[in-house]
Amino acid sequence: DAKTTQPNSMESNEEEPVHLPCNHSTISGTDYIHWYRQLPSQGPEYVIHGLTSNVNNRMASLAIAEDRKSSTLILHRATLRDAAVYYCILRDVGNQFYFGTGTSLTVIP
Amino acid sequence: DSGVTQTPKHLITATGQRVTLRCSPRSGDLSVYWYQQSLDQGLQFLIQYYNGEERAKGNILERFSAQQFPDLHSELNLSSLELGDSALYFCASSVGPRGGKTGELFFGEGSRLTVL
Repeated sequence: DAKTTQPNSMESNEEEPVHLPCNHSTISGTDYIHWYRQLPSQGPEYVIHGLTSNVNNRMASLAIAEDRKSSTLILHRATLRDAAVYYCILRDVGNQFYFGTGTSLTVIP
Repeated sequence: DSGVTQTPKHLITATGQRVTLRCSPRSGDLSVYWYQQSLDQGLQFLIQYYNGEERAKGNILERFSAQQFPDLHSELNLSSLELGDSALYFCASSVGPRGGKTGELFFGEGSRLTVL
């Protein structure tokens, strides 16, 4: 399974945008990029996923580099409820989700 | 609320004992996944069942076993428990065997196992 590299932790001020980076230099052509997050004392929840093009949904935006070797999850206005561990996962259709250790996001009031 | 139900929420037991964790998937989901989350290992994939059949195996110990019943609920059995088995155990479900159209998994709130 292709690996991803994320910073262990990041901080953001409340109501400011947050850019969470993920490097995946060994990504294959059929790997989708998924983002999940895990709020304290809860199970992980789906945030967004994409293959080649940038994606937007009600929770976040996903910006994918042209060479697909990196991506960035963008939270447009961080709230205290966005404090969580964010996981960037590469997954080929039919394969399993392998979670790394993710990025722990702290939101400062 | 993800729609995935796990019981019990907390469980304390002794080394050498056996426990069973239960998971009810979202209505209509045929796949069930089990994950283990310990402090030093992160989220580890254990096993997946689809419509009653084992679909994929991850880092599951031989002391652990699972099954999915005809009503689609699943049980994870942990035996000969060791201190290192203390962890959060998550169940997730999806519609199909491949994680659904969007690749989305729905996780329960987990069962916290403490082995003393």
